[in-house]
Amino acid sequence: DSGVTQTPKHLITATGQRVTLRCSPRSGDLSVYWYQQSLDQGLQFLIQYYNGEERAKGNILERFSAQQFPDLHSELNLSSLELGDSALYFCASSVGTSGGAGGSYNEQFFGPGTRLTVL
Amino acid sequence: DQQVKQNSPSLSVQEGRISILNCDYTNSMFDYFLWYKKYPAEGPTFLISISSIKDKNEDGRFTVFLNKSAKHLSLHIVPSQPGDSAVYFCAASGYGGATNKLIFGTGTLLAVQP
Repeated sequence: DSGVTQTPKHLITATGQRVTLRCSPRSGDLSVYWYQQSLDQGLQFLIQYYNGEERAKGNILERFSAQQFPDLHSELNLSSLELGDSALYFCASSVGTSGGAGGSYNEQFFGPGTRLTVL
Repeated sequence: DQQVKQNSPSLSVQEGRISILNCDYTNSMFDYFLWYKKYPAEGPTFLISISSIKDKNEDGRFTVFLNKSAKHLSLHIVPSQPGDSAVYFCAASGYGGATNKLIFGTGTLLAVQP
């Protein structure tokens, strides 16, 4: 158990709908990340928040948005859903956001994921 | 543009033998590399990492080797055990400290046969 929780575990919805995925980071972690894993794909970075503020953005669609709340939990909102949005969505958390050879790297700990199926 | 590549989708190894998983990257700005292990219906679990200032890091049965000139890293598991059967993802980071977001490869499915 990584200490990162995600709800719901499974979500089935129809095209055009809107859903919200929720993530609670490990106790003490300030940084939250969202990743998408589609069929036969590696994990694609979507977005990162650090202590309530957006820190980095990846290939996140404009139909998707996220936020991190004062209690540090995060929500990923997916709207106008399409069939191609069906995927596993993982949340990860880390203590900080430092990385690279010059300093200590803050490893990311992943939640169990939310499987989204769009019909 | 796939900046981190794992060209072997799958690998089968006998129990007790060595498993070698490979990863190539294209971005010379990457300066930290990680391996994650993933079982079905679970999130990825951090396994081992290496900074670009090193060429080897060892943790028990797991060793990661980094060849910066070739932009190549590998994960060695010795001896391999059936419980090691999982998907292994290589990941890279390196954005000058602004973020530690990860770029992942597509994964290699390791099957360790008893």
